Amino acid sequence: DQQVKQNSPSLSVQEGRISILNCDYTNSMFDYFLWYKKYPAEGPTFLISISSIKDKNEDGRFTVFLNKSAKHLSLHIVPSQPGDSAVYFCAASRSNFGNEKLTFGTGTRLTIIP
Amino acid sequence: DVKVTQSSRYLVKRTGEKVFLECVQDMDHENMFWYRQDPGLGLRLIYFSYDVKMKEKGDIPEGYSVSREKKERFSLILESASTNQTSMYLCASALSAGGNHEQYFGPGTRLTVT
Repeated sequence: DQQVKQNSPSLSVQEGRISILNCDYTNSMFDYFLWYKKYPAEGPTFLISISSIKDKNEDGRFTVFLNKSAKHLSLHIVPSQPGDSAVYFCAASRSNFGNEKLTFGTGTRLTIIP
Repeated sequence: DVKVTQSSRYLVKRTGEKVFLECVQDMDHENMFWYRQDPGLGLRLIYFSYDVKMKEKGDIPEGYSVSREKKERFSLILESASTNQTSMYLCASALSAGGNHEQYFGPGTRLTVT
């Protein structure tokens, strides 16, 4: 049962345009959400997170939006740069429950076209 | 700077062999994790440990065991390797298991079982 879903396995965006990566979840107990970025032959690195008490969190070119009623979050990258080409994973957690673990999505491969 | 290292980048083993994957972190984190990454399936948690000698099963523990004798070291053991365990294995560490503390990943071990 995939509790965190990224329905687009891949996405191509022109350099300079906005990249929008989507993530849906089914578990209403999730209250903390993260995005990780992964380059080939490297481990994932943390990008940005959002708590369920917020609906938006911004860090430079990266913004994460959370729509709790729709159980949907999205990552916006603007403007997109060639170095943003990577696989992006969203993850969710019930962070207030002690040792609750992260549940990751299946990933979206983003390709920025120069 | 947090560092998570994994003993091998690439490993080739034969079916039935016992395989040890080692992970070491230098940030005094309580929590350590083993994931496997497969195309179309994202990152799936195999086991995690929230303290020395403590472990909890993740989503796909079958065929695996773990050992945490020291805080900085977390080992994944494939008791009898099978071809369906061919995968990328990622180790991570964090201050907590939940989403409110980011997980730091090692570079991964690409294991091929023939």
